[in-house]
Formats: sequence, C-alpha cells, structure tokens
Amino acid sequence: GAGVSQSPSNKVTEKGKDVELRCDPISGHTALYWYRQSLGQGLEFLIYFQGNSAPDKSGLPSDRFSAERTGGSVSTLTIQRTQQEDSAVYLCASSRLSNPYNEQFFGPGTRLTVL
Amino acid sequence: QKEVEQNSGPLSVPEGAIASLNCTYSDRGSQSFFWYRQYSGKSPELIMFIYSNGDKEDGRFTAQLNKASQYVSLLIRDSQPSDSATYLCAVRDNQGGKLIFGQGTELSVKP
Repeated sequence: GAGVSQSPSNKVTEKGKDVELRCDPISGHTALYWYRQSLGQGLEFLIYFQGNSAPDKSGLPSDRFSAERTGGSVSTLTIQRTQQEDSAVYLCASSRLSNPYNEQFFGPGTRLTVL
Repeated sequence: QKEVEQNSGPLSVPEGAIASLNCTYSDRGSQSFFWYRQYSGKSPELIMFIYSNGDKEDGRFTAQLNKASQYVSLLIRDSQPSDSATYLCAVRDNQGGKLIFGQGTELSVKP
C-alpha cells in the first residue's frame, strides 16, 4: 500500500514568511508524528496526534509553530514568520496506534530553506 | 531528560564482515526499540523493531536487547557496500509513543 506522503518536497522561503507543510499518513494509521532533522541536531520530536487531537506538543520550539489534523488523516504543520534557524528537513511519521508496540513509518520529508 | 546514546562513528568494516552497532538508553521503563537506516538525503527507513529481551533476526540483521543493561545493538552480517548509511537507534516513549533518537552511527562498508 501507499506509504506516508509529504508535500512539498522542497520549500525555499524568505525570512518572515509563513509556510505550510503537509503530511498524508498511511491509510488507517491513527497516530501521526512530526519531527525535524537539522544538521548537527539529529532528529527531534515536534508534535504528536492521536486522531485529530494533539496530546503532546512538547517539542514545538516556539509559538510560531502550530499543527492541525483533520478527519483523522491529513496534517498540516504551519510555521509563521520563518527564521533562518527553522531551516531543516521536516519529517512526518505515522503509526497504526500510539502504544509502544507499533512501528512508525516515515515520509520522504520536506526540506525547508529560509533565506 | 530521556537520552539515547550512540557512537557517531564512522564505523568502517570490509565487505562481508559483521558490523556491530550499539546504543544505550537512559529510561529504564522503555519498552520498545527501533533501528532505522538513513541514506544521505533520504528519510529514515525502519529495519528492525524489538521489545523483548534477547535476539531478533531478520535476514542479515539481528537486533539484540538487554533491558537490565539498558542496551540495544544491531548486527549486520555479510555487510555489503549498499549497507553504507547512518543507522539511527530510537526508543519509543511510553506516553504517546514519540521516538527519541540517538545521534546515529555512520557505517561505511568498504569493497
């Protein structure tokens, strides 16, 4: 079946602009996760959805970052007033359930460059 | 602060040898553990998942888990140049299931 998809694959924006990143999880997966991977920073958790609710937003780095999920499926990560330090690869993953015994599968990522 | 530690490498092995990748974690209550392979410029690809003490084998890959020592490892038998990648160890958080990643170990398999 289809894997996790993300769009756009690349996004170049100017400092101060808003950007929206989209994630479409594997069909039937109830849990959806956003991560960020920066050079020298490794992979860091941003936010997690179970259905349409976000029980854990602890990884969002500032209030410029927000995310939503609708219909228990597609999720959008929005970054307002982008800064150069927001440049990274944003990865989405999904899992059938959120308990520890389910694998997470990653999408191809969106590479964000803030000029 | 829950932590996952890996040697950053690079780890270099000759083709056909066994590559051994190690990972330790700080949260004694952790229950599930993952190994991802990440090629340069690509996203992480799940290769092994383990949650019971002992060994789990899948083809050329064996994951080993020792919860008492808070240690998980990945063995790659008959290493091939195509195995050259960064290997990420991840521990799944029991509350909601986010993954906590190590920094990754870069593996280079020389022909």
